Amino acid sequence: GEDVEQSLFLSVREGDSSVINCTYTDSSSTYLYWYKQEPGAGLQLLTYIFSNMDMKQDQRLTVLLNKKDKHLSLRIADTQTGDSAIYFCAEVPSGNTPLVFGKGTRLSVIA
Amino acid sequence: GAGVSQTPSNKVTEKGKYVELRCDPISGHTALYWYRQSLGQGPEFLIYFQGTGAADDSGLPNDRFFAVRPEGSVSTLKIQRTERGDSAVYLCASSPYGQGQETQYFGPGTRLLVL
Repeated sequence: GEDVEQSLFLSVREGDSSVINCTYTDSSSTYLYWYKQEPGAGLQLLTYIFSNMDMKQDQRLTVLLNKKDKHLSLRIADTQTGDSAIYFCAEVPSGNTPLVFGKGTRLSVIA
Repeated sequence: GAGVSQTPSNKVTEKGKYVELRCDPISGHTALYWYRQSLGQGPEFLIYFQGTGAADDSGLPNDRFFAVRPEGSVSTLKIQRTERGDSAVYLCASSPYGQGQETQYFGPGTRLLVL
């Protein structure tokens, strides 16, 4: 079945770059997403990438996709304390619409 | 409405009781999704509605769980004979047409605690 794997914790200093990694198993996934969840809040869509793209940049966010290795990463430039949250990688397996999420990476930003 | 809303925000119940959780999607969105997020886990899919009908209910864990969307807007997730293992945050999301590339917009969730 589908499975999305992420490392559970990441700690960075304010102003540094953060890189959150994700691997997925369904090679036919057409869309891959990054969601952010702050304490007590719902999931906020950060960005997404189509499977026919290698990279997508959106202000401080850069998404890299390696389809061969089924590896997705999210880079946050100039990380701020407000970026502290849990980041979820999610895929939409081919032919389906429900999202399949990883367990999330908790990003802690040290001032 | 402006976003997806869910009520109640918190629900405490006793083992064996019946609960209903409500989701009010973004106006005009035909697709509605329920997910469950246990502590330390990512959200897991429960059921997906396209209009009034359940297009995919493969994520419902057992027959104690049931969901309806009678008029194609508000949805209610119903849990019978609650168990302590049902404690989780129940998230609702909606999207315009239910197509794979659409953004799913999430509500803040209902935190259910079964004592």
